Amino acid sequence: NAGVTQTPKFRILKIGQSMTLQCTQDMNHNYMYWYRQDPGMGLKLIYYSVGAGITDKGEVPNGYNVSRSTTEDFPLRLELAAPSQTSVYFCASSYPWGDTIYFGEGSWLTVV
Amino acid sequence: KNEVEQSPQNLTAQEGEFITINCSYSVGISALHWLQQHPGGGIVSLFMLSSGKKKHGRLIATINIQEKHSSLHITASHPRDSAVYICAVLYSGGGADGLTFGKGTHLIIQP
Repeated sequence: NAGVTQTPKFRILKIGQSMTLQCTQDMNHNYMYWYRQDPGMGLKLIYYSVGAGITDKGEVPNGYNVSRSTTEDFPLRLELAAPSQTSVYFCASSYPWGDTIYFGEGSWLTVV
Repeated sequence: KNEVEQSPQNLTAQEGEFITINCSYSVGISALHWLQQHPGGGIVSLFMLSSGKKKHGRLIATINIQEKHSSLHITASHPRDSAVYICAVLYSGGGADGLTFGKGTHLIIQP
């Protein structure tokens, strides 16, 4: 059981570039999430999905897109990267909202 | 948006000390999570509770629903307990917003 795997771990992007953060889980969880963590702040929800083919916006969705074609995979796409998107990104998964939540190792993204 | 407040923000203690980290929230919740984030960045779930008390090894988590307050205790603290401890709540009817996270308590245990 690998749990939640996200890649890449580190990435430097130039302003205006695009990239995709990959996330996969092998626990057959229906619920998957993308969070960002900024220094001194709590994690903020970007997008979430309650099952394959279903996605919805969280608190801070602007500048991001997601898709959920399978139960296992939940990639996060950054379009036209901006310095404000410099952050640490965490993918997570769980059964229903109130159950134990499992996090990936994080992806450190710098936009310059 | 309803907030989650943690205290203290930073805590430095000596090995062996009893540690308490507090979390308070503003309205009714369905569940409360305690998470641990190590310096490398990975986040691990410690507890999920909706009432009472849970214990795992040297860690104890309690919640008082009436007072809207939870505590995380560490007994016989050790340098390997050094980490950021994060409280997160699922507000009743949380829906699209899911979990609301506190800013974390940065704990350092000195040998």
